[in-house]
Amino acid sequence: KAGVTQTPRYLIKTRGQQVTLSCSPISGHRSVSWYQQTPGQGLQFLFEYFSETQRNKGNFPGRFSGRQFSNSRSEMNVSTLELGDSALYLCASQRTSELNTEAFFGQGTRLTVV
Amino acid sequence: GNSVTQMEGPVTLSEEAFLTINCTYTATGYPSLFWYVQYPGEGLQLLLKATKADDKGSNKGFEATYRKETTSFHLEKGSVQVSDSAVYFCALSGNYGGSQGNLIFGKGTKLSVKP
Repeated sequence: KAGVTQTPRYLIKTRGQQVTLSCSPISGHRSVSWYQQTPGQGLQFLFEYFSETQRNKGNFPGRFSGRQFSNSRSEMNVSTLELGDSALYLCASQRTSELNTEAFFGQGTRLTVV
Repeated sequence: GNSVTQMEGPVTLSEEAFLTINCTYTATGYPSLFWYVQYPGEGLQLLLKATKADDKGSNKGFEATYRKETTSFHLEKGSVQVSDSAVYFCALSGNYGGSQGNLIFGKGTKLSVKP
């Protein structure tokens, strides 16, 4: 079965712009989480959605937002981009949010802010 | 707050050498613990997990035991292969439902195995 699909794979944006990243989870998975990966900070949790509701949120400014649609696909948006937002953004999907269900990660979207 | 500390890399080993990557955690309560692996150009894959104290997770020859008394979850493999070259991440569940949707990761340890 198809894995987690993130689009686009690569993106270059200018400081001050906004960007939208997309994640299509594995068919039947209802939970989607987003992470930011940078060389300096490593992997940091952004937010988790389950059945269109945000369940958890990490410690990121309000410029970072997300949503989940009824088909479980998710988008995250970053407004007023800063150079420090350059990172690999990873999406993970789970069948449910129940205890210990495995999270499957996509290949990520590499965002470069110039 | 909760946190994970793992040994800095990179780690370079010869094929068939023994591998240990140290991981310690700070958490209140009883989180679940995980090791993920990231191969070049790919996303993260779950390698193994343990959900309670003294549990041993194992997969593909890798093992890790959840040690509550030392708050550790060290990754070991008896004989590494070139194909094990990757970045390894230790992680714990950020909430206590054990959901993997809210993970706290260590900084990652890059492993290179030479033939």
